[in-house]
Amino acid sequence: ILNVEQSPQSLHVQEGDSTNFTCSFPSSNFYALHWYRWETAKSPEALFVMTLNGDEKKKGRISATLNTKEGYSYLYIKGSQPEDSATYLCALSRSSNSGYALNFGKGTSLLVTP
Amino acid sequence: KAGVTQTPRYLIKTRGQQVTLSCSPISGHRSVSWYQQTPGQGLQFLFEYFSETQRNKGNFPGRFSGRQFSNSRSEMNVSTLELGDSALYLCASSWDPNQVFSDGYTFGSGTRLTVV
Repeated sequence: ILNVEQSPQSLHVQEGDSTNFTCSFPSSNFYALHWYRWETAKSPEALFVMTLNGDEKKKGRISATLNTKEGYSYLYIKGSQPEDSATYLCALSRSSNSGYALNFGKGTSLLVTP
Repeated sequence: KAGVTQTPRYLIKTRGQQVTLSCSPISGHRSVSWYQQTPGQGLQFLFEYFSETQRNKGNFPGRFSGRQFSNSRSEMNVSTLELGDSALYLCASSWDPNQVFSDGYTFGSGTRLTVV
């Protein structure tokens, strides 16, 4: 079992604030690091999949970085909006002989108030 | 295009009963995985299927089983239900396993199982 840790557990910010979350994972046998956004009553939605050390990805106001050597990834949200309110999950891909699975952290719950 | 469809959305069962949950992946997706979420826990991996073959299994008791059909639809079955099996069960699909390294999974909305 791979321990994927996310911090903080929850976050409450005002509209317009920028924020960031951390995902920590074992650096050995790394395959890929995923970020998902999960809004209440909806399905988890893939934000980013990162595979290379130093990867940086961006989608609108959301970006993510990856450091596989030290085992962490940051997710940044610039100018948070109420519609950004969701739980943000990170997950580590691992592989067995022929299959794949994701090890999820428990998530960071973000609330953005106007 | 249609997303990943899970049925039923909600289910109430009694301890000791068995249950079957269904997942229809996005058309063309051949890889289907199942995850369980219980209160206070992150999503826990149950199994992964590709082309009707179970390729990976999580750390769950043998009461949890699954299968995939030739049209890629998947079912998971839980026998002899326990109160602790109450959870949200999510299904996720992708074109093939390697897509997981580029686009990630597409998740369904889940089946909420309550065992009483």
